[in-house]
Amino acid sequence: KNEVEQSPQNLTAQEGEFITINCSYSVGISALHWLQQHPGGGIVSLFMLSSGKKKHGRLIATINIQEKHSSLHITASHPRDSAVYICAVNSMGAQKLVFGQGTRLTINP
Amino acid sequence: GAVVSQHPSWVICKSGTSVKIECRSLDFQATTMFWYRQFPKQSLMLMATSNEGSKATYEQGVEKDKFLINHASLTLSTLTVTSAHPEDSSFYICSARAGLAGLYEQYFGPGTRLTVT
Repeated sequence: KNEVEQSPQNLTAQEGEFITINCSYSVGISALHWLQQHPGGGIVSLFMLSSGKKKHGRLIATINIQEKHSSLHITASHPRDSAVYICAVNSMGAQKLVFGQGTRLTINP
Repeated sequence: GAVVSQHPSWVICKSGTSVKIECRSLDFQATTMFWYRQFPKQSLMLMATSNEGSKATYEQGVEKDKFLINHASLTLSTLTVTSAHPEDSSFYICSARAGLAGLYEQYFGPGTRLTVT
């Protein structure tokens, strides 16, 4: 079993829908990251969380440390949100990231 | 936000030759840089961690003599793929940690697509 599991692996939705991507992890962590990778390959860091909730535009990320679970929400989804979303964690005290397998999101117009 | 660049963005080389990929932090000092490779439809795989001025730490299974990493300054790290073979064709991504800005914050470069013919 991977240390970081994401669900779903693939998600297709219509423009405007509310999107939720889940991430569960099995180790103690110092930080959790949500990353976005577009088809061209470049990676953008969306959020880094160690507790609570963060919001940036239409994106919201939450984390529940006790349950070892995080969610990424996208409100009013748009085709340009189509990308692979990756959850990654820093194990306690570690600099390097452990990655989930990614969620491929497709938003149809 | 902090910017990390990579050069080149894509490169095609012949089997047996060496290729150098540069990773630069443009507006901050990167005490630590990470090198990843990614095969199609797979997640990132950490190859090595490099700290400025010291030898890189390679992950298990990564040949240090084949993938030479140099982190000579706080803004530049290089990955050299020596004697490249077609199986080295992959997407190589670096990330950088700004030592003063937070222990776990990482900023990713745009990646370099290597094709070995």
